[in-house]
Amino acid sequence: AQTVTQSQPEMSVQEAETVTLSCTYDTSESDYYLFWYKQPPSRQMILVIRQEAYKQQNATENRFSVNFQKAAKSFSLKISDSQLGDAAMYFCAYRNEVNNDMRFGAGTRLTVKP
Amino acid sequence: ETGVTQSPTHLIKTRGQQVTLRCSSQSGHNTVSWYQQALGQGPQFIFQYYREEENGRGNFPPRFSGLQFPNYSSELNVNALELDDSALYLCASSPGGVATNEKLFFGSGTQLSVL
Repeated sequence: AQTVTQSQPEMSVQEAETVTLSCTYDTSESDYYLFWYKQPPSRQMILVIRQEAYKQQNATENRFSVNFQKAAKSFSLKISDSQLGDAAMYFCAYRNEVNNDMRFGAGTRLTVKP
Repeated sequence: ETGVTQSPTHLIKTRGQQVTLRCSSQSGHNTVSWYQQALGQGPQFIFQYYREEENGRGNFPPRFSGLQFPNYSSELNVNALELDDSALYLCASSPGGVATNEKLFFGSGTQLSVL
């Protein structure tokens, strides 16, 4: 069964600094997709970034980038120039071609200090 | 374009009762999925509907059932409520079927409390 593990329940970063959130996953599939979603206090999940496993190049979206290590089954999120609005729960998620379900990790609560 | 809307936002039920949660998908989206998010945990997949048919289901008992209507709005029904059903229920829509890299558009959820 596919599982997603986020080992950091909470992280803190100073405004304008860089922070990295960790995620590992377990799968026997070769084709799959990885996502980072953000959940602010409004509870609405918002897609931050996504990565296709067949792509070697790490995805980037403005201040957000990932470090995808397929062999190690690792998918970390780097947030550069952190802003107060980045404070939220961040969930790593996995999805593959076999199932239609999105598997989420338990989340990391990010605090941004002014 | 309108976003994903869910109703009600909060709901209190007692054990053994039945509940129906509703979701209106984003305009043009024909796929909807439902998730249960217990306090302090990540969302867990309940099921997905594509063009009114269920095309994926997570590890939830049959008392969790759903419907998708021709206008692509959706319902989640839970029978014989249990205390552990207390959670935030999230609905998500996407534009096109089973493409697994698609962005999901989430609603703000329904917070269900079972007493």
